[in-house]
Amino acid sequence: GAGVSQSPRYKVAKRGQDVALRCDPISGHVSLFWYQQALGQGPEFLTYFQNEAQLDKSGLPSDRFFAERPEGSVSTLKIQRTQQEDSAVYLCASSLGAGLAGGSYNEQFFGPGTRLTVL
Amino acid sequence: GENVEQHPSTLSVQEGDSAVIKCTYSDSASNYFPWYKQELGKRPQLIIDIRSNVGEKKDQRIAVTLNKTAKHFSLHITETQPEDSAVYFCAASLDTGTASKLTFGTGTRLQVTL
Repeated sequence: GAGVSQSPRYKVAKRGQDVALRCDPISGHVSLFWYQQALGQGPEFLTYFQNEAQLDKSGLPSDRFFAERPEGSVSTLKIQRTQQEDSAVYLCASSLGAGLAGGSYNEQFFGPGTRLTVL
Repeated sequence: GENVEQHPSTLSVQEGDSAVIKCTYSDSASNYFPWYKQELGKRPQLIIDIRSNVGEKKDQRIAVTLNKTAKHFSLHITETQPEDSAVYFCAASLDTGTASKLTFGTGTRLQVTL
């Protein structure tokens, strides 16, 4: 079946522009995560959804970052008034369950990412 | 919050040799430790994971060991091949019954030379 997809794959924005990044998780996956990966670094957590509920947004770096998943499937990460430090790869991941301990439900499947460059 | 440290940052081995990557974590409550492989420009892909009720897990040429007391876990790749060349990330999380965010290490760039 299809994996996690993200669009666009590449985005160039001028400083101050707003951008919207889309994530299509694997069908039926309950959990959805957004991560930010700076060049040469590991992914860093931004926010987490369980179905349409945003249960954790502790990693969002500022109030310019906003995420939604209104119908519990597709998610959008929006960045307002982009700044150069926002340049990174934004990764989306989904997992099947809501965390049944001991099983494989928690495996996170990653999308290819959106590379955002802010000029 | 959780902090994961990973060493070395780069590792070069000859084809056929073994490679070992080590990670430490800070939160003793963490109980799920996946390892991801990321090729240049590609998505991270899970290669193996281990839970805190297990000390070692093996899958063909790849093995992971976990020392809960020391808060230390390691990835072992035997008989390395050129296609093993990639960046490897360790991660830690707390599985409480709801899906949990991963805290990643900074990555190890593995180069397997002929």
